[in-house]
Amino acid sequence: DAGVTQSPTHLIKTRGQQVTLRCSPKSGHDTVSWYQQALGQGPQFIFQYYEEEERQRGNFPDRFSGHQFPNYSSELNVNALLLGDSALYLCASSLITVDEQFFGPGTRLTVL
Amino acid sequence: DAKTTQPPSMDCAEGRAANLPCNHSTISGNEYVYWYRQIHSQGPQYIIHGLKNNETNEMASLIITEDRKSSTLILPHATLRDTAVYYCIVRPLNTNAGKSTFGDGTTLTVKP
Repeated sequence: DAGVTQSPTHLIKTRGQQVTLRCSPKSGHDTVSWYQQALGQGPQFIFQYYEEEERQRGNFPDRFSGHQFPNYSSELNVNALLLGDSALYLCASSLITVDEQFFGPGTRLTVL
Repeated sequence: DAKTTQPPSMDCAEGRAANLPCNHSTISGNEYVYWYRQIHSQGPQYIIHGLKNNETNEMASLIITEDRKSSTLILPHATLRDTAVYYCIVRPLNTNAGKSTFGDGTTLTVKP
């Protein structure tokens, strides 16, 4: 049973570019949440998707957007990249009815 | 979600108990205490959670004070593989696991 998977593992972009990160939830899970983790800090909640809709959102600008597909996988899109967007981006999946989430290994984004 | 305060770092000798404290003085009556840990370069891993009674599982024990304003995570026999950043989080049970507010955690170093 595969856990949460994310791709790519690492990514390097330049300022102003756009990036798409992908997440496949743990088998049987229907909810995906995205977090941003800057170096030396704890993860910060970006948003959560359930039934292909954004259900909750943290304090992130509209440059951060997402999508959830019918198979429950999800994408995180970031437009107009800034140097400060450099971070580890974590995906976590859960069941909407069960209060435990499983995290993926993350995607390390570097913006130059 | 209530905020938490944790010491930035702690050391523990291998084989000894590691006691990690967390203050959550503004915790609400419906908020649970959760603990996660993050080993370098991996996503956070769920450890344990509780409301007001002490809890124990195969990984750790959670002691919550009677006034619920603080708690302690206990790793009974720490090993080198327990070296990680430990996060204490408080949140309601039924907001779904997604929107967790992480602080900066405690870096636990287990030494031989």
